[in-house]
Amino acid sequence: GQNIDQPTEMTATEGAIVQINCTYQTSGFNGLFWYQQHAGEAPTFLSYNVLDGLEEKGRFSSFLSRSKGYSYLLLKELQMKDSASYLCAVVPGDYKLSFGAGTTVTVRA
Amino acid sequence: GAVVSQHPSWVICKSGTSVKIECRSLDFQATTMFWYRQFPKQSLMLMATSNEGSKATYEQGVEKDKFLINHASLTLSTLTVTSAHPEDSSFYICSARDLEGIGYTFGSGTRLTVV
Repeated sequence: GQNIDQPTEMTATEGAIVQINCTYQTSGFNGLFWYQQHAGEAPTFLSYNVLDGLEEKGRFSSFLSRSKGYSYLLLKELQMKDSASYLCAVVPGDYKLSFGAGTTVTVRA
Repeated sequence: GAVVSQHPSWVICKSGTSVKIECRSLDFQATTMFWYRQFPKQSLMLMATSNEGSKATYEQGVEKDKFLINHASLTLSTLTVTSAHPEDSSFYICSARDLEGIGYTFGSGTRLTVV
């Protein structure tokens, strides 16, 4: 099976920066996704990394180190609407996308 | 972009009845469809994988006779929850890989409540 770990909860203030870490151990690796999910809704795509390094997209950035089995999602200039669950998902060798438990981020004024 | 239409968005059914959930890929052909279940405050758990024209493969612990999956065409996959019980109440989401296999497109999800 796949093992994907991320923190359960994080809290930050509006305008701040938060980094959500994800470590994984999978059978094969074909990339890593980060999704945002609000309660009762489907996940929405944030980023995809398949090569080592940093991918920047506006206020969100994602980093991958394949040798360390490690990724992080960086959220800058936090806004209240960023309060949500953030899911780390890995594409293993069989392409069955596997999710971590999710990190609930609460943004406070 | 790729769109997967999932219906119904929510359904309430009586215990013992069956419920069918449909996922249609609207502008691409989905060779593989994944079905997930999500309980409150938990992550998405893969239930089964279906490929067009072949039998679905189920994850460990998922009863294939209870959760019937049909993937008869490249644009339609269905999940039928048979003889539903209150413990089957959950959020069910489908996800499709396109023919190029580059991305995963999610349906909007179905909230099932069994009373």
